[in-house]
Amino acid sequence: KNEVEQSPQNLTAQEGEFITINCSYSVGISALHWLQQHPGGGIVSLFMLSSGKKKHGRLIATINIQEKHSSLHITASHPRDSAVYICAVITGGGADGLTFGKGTHLIIQP
Amino acid sequence: NAGVTQTPKFRILKIGQSMTLQCTQDMNHNYMYWYRQDPGMGLKLIYYSVGAGITDKGEVPNGYNVSRSTTEDFPLRLELAAPSQTSVYFCASSYPTRAGETQYFGPGTRLLVL
Repeated sequence: KNEVEQSPQNLTAQEGEFITINCSYSVGISALHWLQQHPGGGIVSLFMLSSGKKKHGRLIATINIQEKHSSLHITASHPRDSAVYICAVITGGGADGLTFGKGTHLIIQP
Repeated sequence: NAGVTQTPKFRILKIGQSMTLQCTQDMNHNYMYWYRQDPGMGLKLIYYSVGAGITDKGEVPNGYNVSRSTTEDFPLRLELAAPSQTSVYFCASSYPTRAGETQYFGPGTRLLVL
């Protein structure tokens, strides 16, 4: 069973700061997801990674397969980025769903 | 496309009652999933399906049942509700061509068992 650990659990920052959220996992994976859960509860997929780096707007996700570690970065953070960010991994074929971290609760203050 | 829809949004059950959480997707995804989210915990997989007529247990299946008679629908059945089933339930689906592609989540059903 893959164990997924995220850090920090909670993060409060000022608008404009560079944000980093970390995720580590215990067993080799086929892919890693970063998800965003809005204050209203909805979950959306931000990235799926199997290697390297992806960028979408102010969000950057990286993964190091050898070190079993991924990071999610937010540049020029804004209060609307306030949400819970969740790391999830797929081990093996992937049809049997995701294994999730507990999430990082991010608050960006104006 | 409506994406993944779930009903109801919120429900209160008494211990021992039964109910069905509905999930429908209109993206022709073969893979569908049910997760539960408890406060302070990561989401956990209850059941999943790789296509109509095929279902399998996830990490926490006890107390639940599922069926998949069509590609679109994946209902989750609670037979004898218990307080431990108080949670937020999310249905999700993903692309049929590759396992592990982007998962699309429904808005969730908040269930309180008293």
